Amino acid sequence: SQTIHQWPATLVQPVGSPLSLECTVEGTSNPNLYWYRQAAGRGLQLLFYSVGIGQISSEVPQNLSASRPQDRQFILSSKKLLLSDSGFYLCAWTPTRVSSKLFFGSGTQLSVL
Amino acid sequence: EDKVVQSPLSLVVHEGDTVTLNCSYEVTNFRSLLWYKQEKKAPTFLFMLTSSGIEKKSGRLSSILDKKELFSILNITATQTGDSAIYLCAVPTMDSNYQLIWGAGTKLIIKP
Repeated sequence: SQTIHQWPATLVQPVGSPLSLECTVEGTSNPNLYWYRQAAGRGLQLLFYSVGIGQISSEVPQNLSASRPQDRQFILSSKKLLLSDSGFYLCAWTPTRVSSKLFFGSGTQLSVL
Repeated sequence: EDKVVQSPLSLVVHEGDTVTLNCSYEVTNFRSLLWYKQEKKAPTFLFMLTSSGIEKKSGRLSSILDKKELFSILNITATQTGDSAIYLCAVPTMDSNYQLIWGAGTKLIIKP
């Protein structure tokens, strides 16, 4: 069966520090991978998605970047965090290249202080 | 501009009550609508609706789509405290199935 792992679960970082959140999917190949951010009381905002290794599409210009070094690995990064980067980050995948049904990781609560 | 609007934003009921959550949408070239439940962390999939008037059902939860009036409802009967969660609605955009437009969610609290 397919599983998705996302870590860490919580993270407190000072302003200006770097960020690296990792997500891996098991039990499938060639998944579409996504990074979302969820602000309190708001819907999910798509940050990045990837349809293959090294293929990254950015939806929102910002302080963050994403990389997909392996087929089932998706990394969210920042060189210098801003206060506004605080939020709940979710990794997700879809099992086929044309599927709306997302499966989510358990999320990372990021607090930038 | 494509958008998805959920109502109410929050709802507090007592255990045993029945609730109806609403999701309206304005999306070019509509194909499907999805419901998710988010308890603490990861949203979990509930339903995908593509055809108007056909009810999807899972236990005490059910959902139906009205493509003419551009909305969907999620019903929960005989609510339990474990139903407390944020319920999210999403619709794929016209461009691809990669991107979903999400509603802000309905925060449902079930009091014992």
